[in-house]
Amino acid sequence: DAKTTQPPSMDCAEGRAANLPCNHSTISGNEYVYWYRQIHSQGPQYIIHGLKNNETNEMASLIITEDRKSSTLILPHATLRDTAVYYCIVRVDALSSGSARQLTFGSGTQLTVLP
Amino acid sequence: NAGVTQTPKFQVLKTGQSMTLQCAQDMNHEYMSWYRQDPGMGLRLIHYSVGAGITDQGEVPNGYNVSRSTTEDFPLRLLSAAPSQTSVYFCASSLTQNRGYGYTFGSGTRLTVV
Repeated sequence: DAKTTQPPSMDCAEGRAANLPCNHSTISGNEYVYWYRQIHSQGPQYIIHGLKNNETNEMASLIITEDRKSSTLILPHATLRDTAVYYCIVRVDALSSGSARQLTFGSGTQLTVLP
Repeated sequence: NAGVTQTPKFQVLKTGQSMTLQCAQDMNHEYMSWYRQDPGMGLRLIHYSVGAGITDQGEVPNGYNVSRSTTEDFPLRLLSAAPSQTSVYFCASSLTQNRGYGYTFGSGTRLTVV
């Protein structure tokens, strides 16, 4: 699975959009981008995923560049409860690869939403 | 629908003691796994299971055993606790390991080995 690079920390003002970048320059064509977050002391929570098209759900939007070498997770109106560590994970969809894949977490980005 | 339930939430062990961390899910998920998280670090995979009767090792399996006799339960056993096993342990389940989304995590077990 491709490696990802995320800034270790970011701040965002409450009510503003939080834009969390992720670099995955070695991503291959069948690898998806997944985002999870971990609020302090809790288990990680799935947010969103995508392959090459931009995706949006009730929690966030995911923007993937045309060359797929980087992506941005957008929380449109950040609240204090969005303060968490955000993990960007790149992984093959095992159905297409035929082999097992695990969910591998790096260090993530600590997002702090400021009042 | 309880999701993934881990017990106990907190535990203190003495070096050399053994114990079992419990994990149960009620979502009929095929895939279950155990992670550990040390302070300031990401999660590391210990063991996983793709179905009842099937288990395999993850990144850091030494000192831990698992079994999967039912779909619902996936206990993690510490054979002889060591201070290096002081960590927060998370159990996760997913309908299938084939997809990277939809993993549900438990609330964690905070283990201290003295």
